[in-house]
Amino acid sequence: QQQVKQSPQSLIVQKGGISIINCAYENTAFDYFPWYQQFPGKGPALLIAIRPDVSEKKEGRFTISFNKSAKQFSLHIMDSQPGDSATYFCAASDSWGKLQFGAGTQVVVTP
Amino acid sequence: GAVVSQHPSWVICKSGTSVKIECRSLDFQATTMFWYRQFPKQSLMLMATSNEGSKATYEQGVEKDKFLINHASLTLSTLTVTSAHPEDSSFYICSARDSAENTEAFFGQGTRLTVV
Repeated sequence: QQQVKQSPQSLIVQKGGISIINCAYENTAFDYFPWYQQFPGKGPALLIAIRPDVSEKKEGRFTISFNKSAKQFSLHIMDSQPGDSATYFCAASDSWGKLQFGAGTQVVVTP
Repeated sequence: GAVVSQHPSWVICKSGTSVKIECRSLDFQATTMFWYRQFPKQSLMLMATSNEGSKATYEQGVEKDKFLINHASLTLSTLTVTSAHPEDSSFYICSARDSAENTEAFFGQGTRLTVV
């Protein structure tokens, strides 16, 4: 049973475009929401993370939007580049630090 | 960021044998380490949580006698897959956290296990 629901499963975006990935959760005990980027055959790498007391966080071309009342959060990748082609996972954890991952979104950025 | 190193990166073993995977925190002390399994084109599934010096806590459905986890020091945790079978072939990934106050976990590069 997936505690964090992620969509879409895959997405294709042109170079320079915006990639948007959405996640939703049910467990109100979650208090940390990271996004990870994973390349084939590699472990996931932390991109950006947010806590529920903040509605938006931006780091470079990556922005997390967080809606606590709707229990939803999303990742926006601005000015998408071919090097951004990867699988992206949202996740959520409670104070114990156990991460629950979304199903993943495969992003392909076309030249 | 902090570095977590996994070894080996890949391993092929015969069915029925055991395989040990190491996870080391190189520049911090890991009070908690997590082990995940990832099948092709699927998400990471948490297998177990280990705290240094105590027994691992396994997620529901994970056989603790098959997946032996040891966290004997603050920088090393090991996962041993005992009596491996082809269905155990997967990508195993560890992560480590440096303190109870810091929720951020740092991931190793993963180990590809193939059981033939």
